[in-house]
Amino acid sequence: EIVLTQSPGTLSLSPGERATLSCRASQSVSSSYLAWYQQKPGQAPRLLIYGASSRATGIPDRFSGSGSGTDFTLTISRLEPEDFAVYYCHQYGSSPLTFGGGTKVEIK
Amino acid sequence: QVQLVQSGAEVKKPGASVKVSCKASGYTFTNYGITWVRQAPGQGLEWMGWISAKNGNTNYAQRLQDRVTMTTDTSTSTAYMELRSLRSDDTAVYYCARAPTFAVAAVYWGQGTLVTVSS
Repeated sequence: EIVLTQSPGTLSLSPGERATLSCRASQSVSSSYLAWYQQKPGQAPRLLIYGASSRATGIPDRFSGSGSGTDFTLTISRLEPEDFAVYYCHQYGSSPLTFGGGTKVEIK
Repeated sequence: QVQLVQSGAEVKKPGASVKVSCKASGYTFTNYGITWVRQAPGQGLEWMGWISAKNGNTNYAQRLQDRVTMTTDTSTSTAYMELRSLRSDDTAVYYCARAPTFAVAAVYWGQGTLVTVSS
């Protein structure tokens, strides 16, 4: 099973600042099958990034993903008020599919 | 538009079973599969497994495979997830999501179904 470790656990930032979230895998993620989801309280996850760096339909370009192998990054270039949420990385290249523990981006 | 509508909240006693439904609309049901993911209160996401709506093939998380059964009813475009021998740590919100194969990051998700296991 591929274990995904996200850091930091919580990121305290102000609107307009840049957010950098990390996801490290215990073994190489097949074909960069790495996604990022955003989740707000009481809502289902929302797909932001798939294939490590491709934005899902309708996702603003302030969200970007990068990385390969075992190290991946989600960057939010300028935080908007609606971006404060929990973010999960997710590998879907090998069974069982797994999720990271999440990074909470909170308002400073 | 693609919609996945799940059944309502359930309260079950330890040792009982629960069956959650996920009714799909807005697309050809048999062209995709359904992934099930759960989230315990205040916790992260856990993949439970995937079922093909085309042929019923399944891929279950090993830690749940003795207790979980996923099925589909193509006549009603509905997927089901049954979990048996419930324990308190099965208390969670259960989500269904559309995925053509298990190796896909799901875009469309149901609204979630809270299952509470309590004596």
